[in-house]
Amino acid sequence: GQQVMQIPQYQHVQEGEDFTTYCNSSTTLSNIQWYKQRPGGHPVFLIQLVKSGEVKKQKRLTFQFGEAKKNSSLHITATQTTDVGTYFCAGGTGANNLFFGTGTRLTVIP
Amino acid sequence: NAGVTQTPKFQVLKTGQSMTLQCAQDMNHEYMSWYRQDPGMGLRLIHYSVGAGITDQGEVPNGYNVSRSTTEDFPLRLLSAAPSQTSVYFCASSYGGTGIGYGYTFGSGTRLTVV
Repeated sequence: GQQVMQIPQYQHVQEGEDFTTYCNSSTTLSNIQWYKQRPGGHPVFLIQLVKSGEVKKQKRLTFQFGEAKKNSSLHITATQTTDVGTYFCAGGTGANNLFFGTGTRLTVIP
Repeated sequence: NAGVTQTPKFQVLKTGQSMTLQCAQDMNHEYMSWYRQDPGMGLRLIHYSVGAGITDQGEVPNGYNVSRSTTEDFPLRLLSAAPSQTSVYFCASSYGGTGIGYGYTFGSGTRLTVV
């Protein structure tokens, strides 16, 4: 079945350091989405990537979609304490539903 | 707009009890779904609906029932609660099944404990 793997599971960084989480799918995706969940909160949609090789930026966040549309990454430059939370990727296959990765929990040490 | 509203926020059940988790959205989204979130497991799809009168199973449907009589509401029923159903439950809605363009909108969740 559809699987979306995400690494690392946890990441601790000093404030100001960079952070990257990676997402890999066993099958080709039609689109990939990224969500952020603050501690005790619910997932919030950040962005969607659709095209092969696509790169999108939101301030200090850079999102990439692989050429084969099977992997993606989220990179945060110069982390801040407000970046704390769990980041999920979610892959769509063109049919119904998104398949969520297991998430990367980011801790930022002041 | 309230978005996606889930009730209750917290619930404690005894093993064998039944209950319904409520989910309502006011965005006229055709697609609605239920996920459970367990530590280290990410979000796992329980059931979903692509429109009123249409439902289907996700990855982990056993022990749960759903119905979709209106576009706005998508309740999740636990038939006979078991400790393995202790989890955080999220309802989500979107314009389409893969959330193309707008992503999923999640409710604030129901934290369920079965003792």
